[in-house]
Amino acid sequence: EAGVAQSPRYKIIEKRQSVAFWCNPISGHATLYWYQQILGQGPKLLIQFQNNGVVDDSQLPKDRFSAERLKGVDSTLKIQPAKLEDSAVYLCASSLDLVRNTEAFFGQGTRLTVV
Amino acid sequence: AQSVAQPEDQVNVAEGNPLTVKCTYSVSGNPYLFWYVQYPNRGLQFLLKYITGDNLVKGSYGFEAEFNKSQTSFHLKKPSALVSDSALYFCAVRDGVTGGGNKLTFGTGTQLKVEL
Repeated sequence: EAGVAQSPRYKIIEKRQSVAFWCNPISGHATLYWYQQILGQGPKLLIQFQNNGVVDDSQLPKDRFSAERLKGVDSTLKIQPAKLEDSAVYLCASSLDLVRNTEAFFGQGTRLTVV
Repeated sequence: AQSVAQPEDQVNVAEGNPLTVKCTYSVSGNPYLFWYVQYPNRGLQFLLKYITGDNLVKGSYGFEAEFNKSQTSFHLKKPSALVSDSALYFCAVRDGVTGGGNKLTFGTGTQLKVEL
């Protein structure tokens, strides 16, 4: 089966600009996650969707970050305006549902550099 | 709040020798534990998980992990390391307590280096 697809793979922007990332989860997966991975750190959950509803966005900097999952399939994550400290790899993942014993499958990530 | 600790930033081992990558966790309820591996410029790949049952779980590429409830640990092991095992390894935990939200929390990662 096809894996989690993310685009773009790389993005370089200047601070205060905006950027958007796209994710297409594995077909049939109800749960979708966006993680931020700063160099040298483990992934940090930004937002978690169940179908098109938000389950957890407690660590999402809502003054500049937004995410949506229209129709419960694809998702976009937006940053506006970007700061230097947003430089990181943004990982999208999906899992079958909210049953806790299912593992998450990850995309290759989008590496964002803010200059 | 749930958390994961990986006390070693890097582990070095000779090819053919056994390897261990350490992980300890903290949750309110029963833990659901996972190991992922990350190769350069790639996303995380699932290796194995512990949900319930046997304390020794087997996963992909010959890896296994031992769940120890009294020590709140879930160490990753492999009897004979390969150079191709060199990568970044992450331990992760979900809290099984009702209302835990299903949040998957990762450790900071351990870089494994296998040398000839």
